[in-house]
This record gives sequence, C-alpha cells and structure tokens, in this order.
Amino acid sequence: GAGVSQSPSNKVTEKGKDVELRCDPISGHTALYWYRQSLGQGLEFLIYFQGNSAPDKSGLPSDRFSAERTGGSVSTLTIQRTQQEDSAVYLCASSLGGPAYSNQPQHFGDGTRLSIL
Amino acid sequence: LAKTTQPISMDSYEGQEVNITCSHNNIATNDYITWYQQFPSQGPRFIIQGYKTKVTNEVASLFIPADRKSSTLSLPRVSLSDTAVYYCLVGPRRMGNQFYFGTGTSLTVIP
Repeated sequence: GAGVSQSPSNKVTEKGKDVELRCDPISGHTALYWYRQSLGQGLEFLIYFQGNSAPDKSGLPSDRFSAERTGGSVSTLTIQRTQQEDSAVYLCASSLGGPAYSNQPQHFGDGTRLSIL
Repeated sequence: LAKTTQPISMDSYEGQEVNITCSHNNIATNDYITWYQQFPSQGPRFIIQGYKTKVTNEVASLFIPADRKSSTLSLPRVSLSDTAVYYCLVGPRRMGNQFYFGTGTSLTVIP
C-alpha cells in the first residue's frame, strides 16, 4: 500500500519568501506529525494533529510557522518570510491512533529538503 | 518529560551482534518504547516496539528491564547495510503532546 507522501521532495527558495510543504498520510491514519531535521542532527518535533485539530502548537519554532490539516487527511506546513536557519529536512509521519495510543508506531515520509538562499 | 539518552556513535564489524542502549528515566506507565532506523536521505523506519521484558521480530530484539528506565536494541549479525542512525522514542507525557526522539546512535558497520 501507499506510504506517507511528501511534496515537494526538494525546495530551494530565496530568503523572505513563503513556502508551503505538503504531507499526504497513509489512508485511515488519524494522527499526523511534523518534524524538522537539520543536517546531521536528530529529529525536532514541531506539531501533531489528531484528526484536524492540533492540541499543542508550542513546538513550532516561531510564529512564522503554521500548519493545518483538512478533512482529516492532507496537511500543509507553511513557513512565512523564510530565513536561512529554516533550511532543513521537514519530515511528516502518520499513525493509526494518536499519542494516547503510544503503541501505534509512526510511519514517516522521506521528507522535503528545504534550502533557503 | 520522557526524554531519551543514547550513545552518539558505535562501530561494529560485520557479523557481530550490536547492542544499543537507550535511557529513559521518566518513562510513564502507559508509554511504549519504539525504535527506528534512518538511512541518509530517508525518513525513519519502524524497527521494533515493546512495553516490557523482551520482544523479538525478524530483524531485531528489544530488551526492557523490569523498571523500564532503559531499553536495549539488539541487532544480530550486522551487515554493511545496517549502517544507519538508530533512534529510540518513548511516548509523550500525559499532560503534554510533545514527542522527543533522542539524538540517535550512528552505527557504522565495518567490513
């Protein structure tokens, strides 16, 4: 079956531009997660959705970052007025159940590599 | 918070058994322990998950002591293709909704 799909796979943009990253989770997965991974670093949690709602947005690095999920499926992560420190790989994952069911493993996409010039 | 601590890197020769330990002193009663493998330019991939004692699947074993404050991922007879970064993840704290992957352990398998 289809896994988690992210697009674009690579994105190069100029500082100050807005970017939109898309995540298409595995069908039927109710929970969706966004992470950021800088070069050679571990995973930094950004936000998760249970259905269409995000209970905790405190992991987002700044108010330039926002995320939404509609129809309990596709999610978009938007970064406004991009800065060079935003350069990283942005990973999306989905799971069958939400965090209350921590025995549901997360399934990851291969990420969007974002480069800010 | 259920943060984790792992060794930053490990080297092993092909054919040897590799054990990677993760410390998670603040694990909560309902938390499971999950291990992931990540190759360059790919997202992490689920390897194994457990709650207590020992779990084994076709690729790895997971040992969890009675106090559950640590866990050990065991990879039998590693090959060059097992060179990757390995992360352990413990479920979120009840009152929070954060997920903390550890820094990961970079395993290099040497011919």
